[in-house]
Amino acid sequence: ILNVEQSPQSLHVQEGDSTNFTCSFPSSNFYALHWYRWETAKSPEALFVMTLNGDEKKKGRISATLNTKEGYSYLYIKGSQPEDSATYLCAFTRQAGTALIFGKGTTLSVSS
Amino acid sequence: DTAVSQTPKYLVTQMGNDKSIKCEQNLGHDTMYWYKQDSKKFLKIMFSYNNKELIINETVPNRFSPKSPDKAHLNLHINSLELGDSAVYFCASSQGGPAEAFFGQGTRLTVV
Repeated sequence: ILNVEQSPQSLHVQEGDSTNFTCSFPSSNFYALHWYRWETAKSPEALFVMTLNGDEKKKGRISATLNTKEGYSYLYIKGSQPEDSATYLCAFTRQAGTALIFGKGTTLSVSS
Repeated sequence: DTAVSQTPKYLVTQMGNDKSIKCEQNLGHDTMYWYKQDSKKFLKIMFSYNNKELIINETVPNRFSPKSPDKAHLNLHINSLELGDSAVYFCASSQGGPAEAFFGQGTRLTVV
C-alpha cells in the first residue's frame, strides 16, 4: 500500500501571506509526483507534474520542488489571494500508465 | 467541448438497484480511471484501463465493474447498490508517461 501524506491538513492565511505545504511519499521506485488544485464543486486540475530529483516548477505565484531521494515535495504560494482558496492535492505514481495515488490534501483558506 | 464528461451528474437510487455511470474523454488519452471520493474528500483509485485492458483493479467489491467499449469510454457499473456506496465518483484520463490527469465533473451517487 502506497501512502502519500500531506501536511498541514488545513491552513488559514491572510491575503498577501506566503505559505507552503508538504507532501511525503515513498522514495523507492519513484516515477512521478503531481500537484492538483481542487476548488469546491469543481474537479481537480493539474498544477505540476515532476519527475526528476531537484525539479522545480513555477506557475505564476505558485511553485513546487521535488526531492525524490528523501521522498518529499513542497508547494509554495507567494502572496496568497482569496482565489487561491482550494484544496491542494499531491499524488504519486510508481510507473507509467498507473493510477495516481492521492494524499488527503491541504485545504487553504485565504481571507481578504 | 468538455475534455472528460460524466453522466449523470447526480444519481439517486434505492438499495439493491443496478446502475451505471458513463464516462467519455475526447482527448485521445490511452488510460482512463475511476476514483471514489469518500466522506473526507479523499480520492481513492478504483480502476484504471489502458488501451481497453484493465491494468489495476483495487480491492473494491465485485459489485463494481468497469466496462470500456472503446478507448474513449470507461463506464462504471454497480450491481446491488448498498447505502455505503453513496459517494462522489470521478472519472479521469491521462496520456502515457508522467502526464497530468484530467478529471470529469464527478457523479454524486446517493443510495436510499
